[in-house]
Amino acid sequence: KNEVEQSPQNLTAQEGEFITINCSYSVGISALHWLQQHPGGGIVSLFMLSSGKKKHGRLIATINIQEKHSSLHITASHPRDSAVYICAVNSRETSGSRLTFGEGTQLTVNP
Amino acid sequence: GAGVSQSPSNKVTEKGKDVELRCDPISGHTALYWYRQSLGQGLEFLIYFQGNSAPDKSGLPSDRFSAERTGGSVSTLTIQRTQQEDSAVYLCASSASVNTEAFFGQGTRLTVV
Repeated sequence: KNEVEQSPQNLTAQEGEFITINCSYSVGISALHWLQQHPGGGIVSLFMLSSGKKKHGRLIATINIQEKHSSLHITASHPRDSAVYICAVNSRETSGSRLTFGEGTQLTVNP
Repeated sequence: GAGVSQSPSNKVTEKGKDVELRCDPISGHTALYWYRQSLGQGLEFLIYFQGNSAPDKSGLPSDRFSAERTGGSVSTLTIQRTQQEDSAVYLCASSASVNTEAFFGQGTRLTVV
């Protein structure tokens, strides 16, 4: 079993829809990251959080440490949001602050 | 520079040849990571450098892989005697210190033919 599990694996939405991507992890963590990867391969860090909730524009990330679960929400989705969204954690069980990644969620937003 | 820079962006090499991949981290970032993303798979950790400490090499898949970081800045990942299964996107990331936000380069797409 992977230490970081994401769902769904693939998600197709219509423009304007509210989107939720879920992430569950099985290890103790110091932080959780949400990353975005566009088809060209570049990865952008969206959020880094260790508790509560963060908001940036139309993106919202929440984390529940007790339940070892995080969600990424996109409000009023747009075709340019189409990308792979990756959940990653800084595990307390590994050295330094290297990331352990989920498999990613492929999001497609249709106009 | 403004971000993490990797070179080359694409590399096609013949099986058995050695390759070197370069990463220029953000100036002042003490932590540097190499990750690999094989086709259709998630990202996997390769190696981690933090300041002057000994690197964490626990993710390197075989002794054909090595990396160094000179002067606490630029890093080079070397793959000797490349195999087809080495084909992947190799991503470098840096962060200001431990447990801070990571910034990724655009990656090097390596194809071994």
